[in-house]
Amino acid sequence: NAGVTQTPKFRVLKTGQSMTLLCAQDMNHEYMYWYRQDPGMGLRLIHYSVGEGTTAKGEVPDGYNVSRLKKQNFLLGLESAAPSQTSVYFCASSSGGTRNQPQHFGDGTRLSIL
Amino acid sequence: AQTVTQSQPEMSVQEAETVTLSCTYDTSESDYYLFWYKQPPSRQMILVIRQEAYKQQNATENRFSVNFQKAAKSFSLKISDSQLGDAAMYFCAYRSPQNAGNMLTFGGGTRLMVKP
Repeated sequence: NAGVTQTPKFRVLKTGQSMTLLCAQDMNHEYMYWYRQDPGMGLRLIHYSVGEGTTAKGEVPDGYNVSRLKKQNFLLGLESAAPSQTSVYFCASSSGGTRNQPQHFGDGTRLSIL
Repeated sequence: AQTVTQSQPEMSVQEAETVTLSCTYDTSESDYYLFWYKQPPSRQMILVIRQEAYKQQNATENRFSVNFQKAAKSFSLKISDSQLGDAAMYFCAYRSPQNAGNMLTFGGGTRLMVKP
């Protein structure tokens, strides 16, 4: 019963390094999302996808890129990491049918940029 | 754009008692969806309860219920018979039927502590 799986769970980067966070879901969901959560704040949407091959910007997209080459996977990339990107990152997915369908979340990735 | 406000950064409740967490939102829409998510120390985001704005009846899920006041744009969560496992961050979220991606707008969260 995997649901939404994020890898890695923890990572420490140096400023300027690049990395990719992977999100995989096994529920055949159309919609996928990347959020960041900073201390004392709720989740803020970075990018989202409404289907394979599509992506769109959310509230805080600067400094991030995404790709959705396969329906089950949604990748979040940091091309040149900055300390301001230190955060906990959550991936979520939803069926995208009726709009009362909830989003299902992964366990998060804690990312520290030194 | 919609905004969601949770005015209580922290709340505490005695085990077995009842607590209410507040949430207000700002919107010009008449149809929308509201959610409460729980985030325990494990960091998981767990759906607690959801409400469709067109339904007048308040949603309930076991010990969890909401008080949805559409005119006041208020969506509070009531937890009855509080248990130690209820200790967590609670987030209120809004979803507009207008946005193509079904995105959620979250409030800043309320940390609930449960005293034994």
